[in-house]
Amino acid sequence: DTAVSQTPKYLVTQMGNDKSIKCEQNLGHDTMYWYKQDSKKFLKIMFSYNNKELIINETVPNRFSPKSPDKAHLNLHINSLELGDSAVYFCASSQEWAQPQHFGDGTRLSIL
Amino acid sequence: AQKITQTQPGMFVQEKEAVTLDCTYDTSDPSYGLFWYKQPSSGEMIFLIYQGSYDQQNATEGRYSLNFQKARKSANLVISASQLGDSAMYFCAMREGPGMGRLYFGRGTQLTVWP
Repeated sequence: DTAVSQTPKYLVTQMGNDKSIKCEQNLGHDTMYWYKQDSKKFLKIMFSYNNKELIINETVPNRFSPKSPDKAHLNLHINSLELGDSAVYFCASSQEWAQPQHFGDGTRLSIL
Repeated sequence: AQKITQTQPGMFVQEKEAVTLDCTYDTSDPSYGLFWYKQPSSGEMIFLIYQGSYDQQNATEGRYSLNFQKARKSANLVISASQLGDSAMYFCAMREGPGMGRLYFGRGTQLTVWP
């Protein structure tokens, strides 16, 4: 009965490859987010979708493309991976603005 | 300017003692929410406590309480009776205004509880 689940948990790949991270929430929330946590543990928003509509699109290389097939799913596709993409990527969801965002366990992406 | 500032990169506390983790924020929006999250070494983000800008009383959740001083724009987390399992990174975060906006995070405070 995991609330926000991400797959895979670990992703090790080579520079130049394309990869996807999947996220699903079973909380019935309307809004989902992708955050990136860098090597110094700093968390920063990348994207947010509300009912499948993109509402936040931070200054992120266009190699990163989110896709939301329905409001329970928000996937992140990354093209032409670079060394600097190595980080932990967190998916989150929330319903009301005054309610906390619920985070998945994170996907640790390592680029060789 | 940073939206959230956590000035303590690391804090140490003895088991069973109380500890305060500092957080100051910067916003001109009259409506905002403040959140604290815990990230243990296993990596997951665990929500601890929430304070709304219009809340009259300081939030409390079990051993966690939030010392909210609106005029000073501070929202310090107080952990009472520390336990070894409290050792983790703690993040303060803010969301501005109504609407499904992003969370702005501070850089975190690494708390170590020693026996």
